[in-house]
Amino acid sequence: GENVEQHPSTLSVQEGDSAVIKCTYSDSASNYFPWYKQELGKGPQLIIDIRSNVGEKKDQRIAVTLNKTAKHFSLHITETQPEDSAVYFCAASQAGSQGNLIFGKGTKLSVKP
Amino acid sequence: ETGVTQTPRHLVMGMTNKKSLKCEQHLGHNAMYWYKQSAKKPLELMFVYNFKEQTENNSVPSRFSPECPNSSHLFLHLHTLQPEDSALYLCASSQFEATPYEQYFGPGTRLTVT
Repeated sequence: GENVEQHPSTLSVQEGDSAVIKCTYSDSASNYFPWYKQELGKGPQLIIDIRSNVGEKKDQRIAVTLNKTAKHFSLHITETQPEDSAVYFCAASQAGSQGNLIFGKGTKLSVKP
Repeated sequence: ETGVTQTPRHLVMGMTNKKSLKCEQHLGHNAMYWYKQSAKKPLELMFVYNFKEQTENNSVPSRFSPECPNSSHLFLHLHTLQPEDSALYLCASSQFEATPYEQYFGPGTRLTVT
C-alpha cells in the first residue's frame, strides 16, 4: 500500500524567510496530493493541493511542486509570517481506494518574529 | 453552524464506560470519515462512509462502532476502551462525486481514557 514520508519533522525559520517541506510517496498510482495546516486546538485545514497532471501550483505565498518521476512533492511558503506557525501535513491519495488519503507524520513549523 | 462540527470537544472516560462522539457536516457532502490522531504518528483512517454506506474499515477494533444515519451525521460509539485509545478523533467530509479527494476536517474530540 501507499506510504508517505515527510521531512523535516520540525522547522524553524525567521520571519520573512522561506520554508520548504518535502514528502515522498511510494505508490506511483497516487494522483492527488493535498497539504493541510493544523493550528493548536483545531482540525487540519486544507491549504493547497495538486493533482498528478500538474507540476506546480501557486496560491499567493504558498506553492506546491510535484515530481512524479521521483515520487516526491514539496510545499513552499515564501515571506513567512508568525501566523504561519503550525503543523503541516502532506498526504497522497490511496490508489484504488476511491480517494482515501495516506498522511505524512507532519512538520512543526515555527516562524520567529 | 458552518463546515464540520464535532461534539464533545473534550471527553474523559473510564475503561468500562460507553460514550459516543458526534460529527455533523454543513457542506452538503455525501462522504464522511473518522480519523485517529496520536502524537508523533500519521493520521490514521478508521472508517469511511459514502452515501451512508460504510466502504472502509481499516482493521479497527470492535470497541469502536461507527454509525451514519444520514449523509450529514456521523457517530463513533465507544465502549470498553483502553488507555492507548487516548487520542484526538477527527471527523472529515467530502463531496465524493465531484471532488472525491478534498476532505474537510472538524476540530476534533480530545479523548482521554483513564
